[in-house]
Amino acid sequence: EVQLLESGGGLVLPGGSLRLSCAASGFTFSSYTMTWVRQAPGKGLEWVSSISGDGGNTYYAGSVKGRFTISRDNSKNTMYMQMNSLRAEDTAVYYCARAGDYMALLVYWGQGNMVTVSS
Amino acid sequence: EIVLTQSPGTLSLSPGERATLSCRASQSVSSSYLAWYQQKPGQAPRLLMYGASSRATAFPDRFSGSGSGTDFTLTISGLEPEDFAVYYCQDYGSSRTFGQGTKVEIK
Repeated sequence: EVQLLESGGGLVLPGGSLRLSCAASGFTFSSYTMTWVRQAPGKGLEWVSSISGDGGNTYYAGSVKGRFTISRDNSKNTMYMQMNSLRAEDTAVYYCARAGDYMALLVYWGQGNMVTVSS
Repeated sequence: EIVLTQSPGTLSLSPGERATLSCRASQSVSSSYLAWYQQKPGQAPRLLMYGASSRATAFPDRFSGSGSGTDFTLTISGLEPEDFAVYYCQDYGSSRTFGQGTKVEIK
């Protein structure tokens, strides 16, 4: 059974940093592109970033480019998102998701982790 | 970047009625790489439809998808109580963007 478990969220001051983790199990982690999607309170879904199975290719939404860094450790079956220079508008539930046959088709999702940027 | 516009924003229907949700793209979606997701309150989204018209195994055949190019439709042929949720379309071929969602609520 595919399982994705996010951790690392919480309350952070504007301008601060946070690192999210997504621990995966139930599949060959290195074979799949992984993605972060976020959802601000009461709002819709926003694709944030994706990373290829070998970690060699990364993609970012314009809203986070230069501030967020996606990475993965295939030996630990874990994906990360380092979030720097956080802003109030980054407040959201962050979901990790696993791709299917196409890198951006999100077949499996974690339950999400809340990040709140506030003073 | 492809912009996806969903309509209506909210659909108020009774159980048993037919729901028709629209997703319109600002440019052609390549190879019909259009997906639909269902999200219920407090839950993560679930993949419902991909390739515009291929249904994920967890969903019954009252859900159907159609369309190509810039116009796509999700149809629920007879709403069951568990179908009341928010539905998002997504271009997973190039821009990876989502539409803003359509809420299907009980009338």
